[in-house]
Amino acid sequence: SQELEQSPQSLIVQEGKNLTINCTSSKTLYGLYWYKQKYGEGLIFLMMLQKGGEEKSHEKITAKLDEKKQQSSLHITASQPSHAGIYLCGADPRGDKIIFGKGTRLHILP
Amino acid sequence: DTGVSQDPRHKITKRGQNVTFRCDPISEHNRLYWYRQTLGQGPEFLTYFQNEAQLEKSRLLSDRFSAERPKGSFSTLEIQRTEQGDSAMYLCASSSTGAGANEKLFFGSGTQLSVL
Repeated sequence: SQELEQSPQSLIVQEGKNLTINCTSSKTLYGLYWYKQKYGEGLIFLMMLQKGGEEKSHEKITAKLDEKKQQSSLHITASQPSHAGIYLCGADPRGDKIIFGKGTRLHILP
Repeated sequence: DTGVSQDPRHKITKRGQNVTFRCDPISEHNRLYWYRQTLGQGPEFLTYFQNEAQLEKSRLLSDRFSAERPKGSFSTLEIQRTEQGDSAMYLCASSSTGAGANEKLFFGSGTQLSVL
């Protein structure tokens, strides 16, 4: 079965700094999702990547899927307090349900 | 589009009691999913429905757990004889089936269960 490993597990950054979160899959990714979760709440969809080499951006968040389609990175530029939360990557290996990594907990220091 | 709603948001129960959670998906969505999330972990898949048919159940879903979606609209998740290990956030999500795979899921705010 496909497993997703996220790194780092947690991250503390000063407001205004850039940061990167990684998601590595044990198998080829056919569709990689990024979600954000505020503590104690549901997940909010950020982006979905499908093609190797694909890159998408939303506001100050950019996600990439590498050419070999086994790793994705999420990059935040000029972090803000509103970026704090849990970032989860997910994959849909059989086209029926999403499996998730354990998440990266991001804290932003003012 | 009113989003996915879950009820209750929080539930505190004593060990051994039964609890039931409700999920109302986005109205035009055929698929409905249940996940469980414990502290420090990502959401773990429990089960999913396409319309009223329950298509897959995870081995995490013991005999004490049952989920239904009787009319293909809202769904309920019941836990019988709750145990302290059942304490978790129970998340519901829905999606439209679309023409192919890779449909994004829309999540509710979750039901936080605490078993004392």
